[in-house]
Amino acid sequence: DIQMTQSPSSLSASVGDRVTITCRASQTISRFLNWYQQKSGKAPRLLIDTASSLQSGVPSRFSGSGSGTDFTLTISSLQPEDFATYYCQQSYSSPFTFGPGTKVDVK
Amino acid sequence: EVQLVESGGGLVQPGGSLRLSCAASGFTFSSHWMSWVRQAPGKGPEWVANIKQDGSGQYYVDSVKGRFTISRDNAENSLYLQMNSLRPEDTAVYYCARWTTGYWIYWGQGTLVTVSS
Repeated sequence: DIQMTQSPSSLSASVGDRVTITCRASQTISRFLNWYQQKSGKAPRLLIDTASSLQSGVPSRFSGSGSGTDFTLTISSLQPEDFATYYCQQSYSSPFTFGPGTKVDVK
Repeated sequence: EVQLVESGGGLVQPGGSLRLSCAASGFTFSSHWMSWVRQAPGKGPEWVANIKQDGSGQYYVDSVKGRFTISRDNAENSLYLQMNSLRPEDTAVYYCARWTTGYWIYWGQGTLVTVSS
């Protein structure tokens, strides 16, 4: 199975900050990497698929990059509604595994 | 509007069984692979099972193989998860989600399954 790790596990930031979250796969997954946002008590929301393809309706302040084993989710200017937990997920091979999450909270 | 509504969760003793249901609407259910994804308290999501459009293929994470069965009724626009021999580590919110070749855009609200004596 492909193991996904994320760093940091949590971070504190202020509105307007630039935030970067890293995801690493235990083996190469090409660009088969997706990012989700989850707020408390809600289902995950897909933000980005295939490493960098922004989903319809997702603000352009979100961006993704990377390939192989190392990937990054960037929020260019953090907004109040962005405080949440973020997960990466690989779709290269079954089982389709998620990372443990990065919680972004208010500094 | 795509809607997925799960039901059937609850408290069950270890070794017990439970059947989850998901009612789908707002899209052509029979044209899409479907999934169950679960999330244990404080953990990341975990893919559980996928099923092909016509139900001819089912795929599972190793930890549930032989205990869980995913199925669908395209006439009723419904997805199911039969869970047998439940273990405490199966405790989670179970989501029904529409599979789109690698990821999930549409999710239900989830149903909580608690396995405890």
